[in-house]
Amino acid sequence: LAKTTQPISMDSYEGQEVNITCSHNNIATNDYITWYQQFPSQGPRFIIQGYKTKVTNEVASLFIPADRKSSTLSLPRVSLSDTAVYYCLVDGGGSYIPTFGRGTSLIVHP
Amino acid sequence: GAVVSQHPSRVICKSGTSVKIECRSLDFQATTMFWYRQFPKQSLMLMATSNEGSKATYEQGVEKDKFLINHASLTLSTLTVTSAHPEDSSFYICSAPGGAAGDAGNEQFFGPGTRLTVL
Repeated sequence: LAKTTQPISMDSYEGQEVNITCSHNNIATNDYITWYQQFPSQGPRFIIQGYKTKVTNEVASLFIPADRKSSTLSLPRVSLSDTAVYYCLVDGGGSYIPTFGRGTSLIVHP
Repeated sequence: GAVVSQHPSRVICKSGTSVKIECRSLDFQATTMFWYRQFPKQSLMLMATSNEGSKATYEQGVEKDKFLINHASLTLSTLTVTSAHPEDSSFYICSAPGGAAGDAGNEQFFGPGTRLTVL
């Protein structure tokens, strides 16, 4: 299974753009990259998914370089409600078993 | 999007008793579901893969006789914590893939979690 590495924590302020990078050096050819958000005492929820280049939806953008060994989740103009833990997951190379790394705890300050 | 529910949302029980947690896919069928455990300030730890109509696959270190999983229908998986002890107190979360298990690019739909407290 592809292992992911993320910063343990990040701090930001309201209105700023936040970029969280995830390393997945042994990603397999068919693997997708998916990011989830988790609030305390809740189940994770889907944010965005991509395979290569750039993906954008109404809440975030996902940048994936050509070698796909990393990905960056970009949150534009964060608010206090974006304070959460963010996880990147990589497909298990054909045997998809969603395995979580340590995630990144984002704290947004007023 | 698809919805996964869990019941109960929280449960308090005495040491030595058994507790059953239900995970339901409300508007889609799931031949596979996943069960996780999460301790405070930690990540989700995969416990087992629940397979409809067959035995669950447990991760290394997870006691299958203690954490009984039954996936009797395409929309319901249950996790029973048998003879619960205080160290089993945790946040239990289930998930189901939006597509066929094993497909690349599947989005996981997570339940809201069940807080288990064993006294």
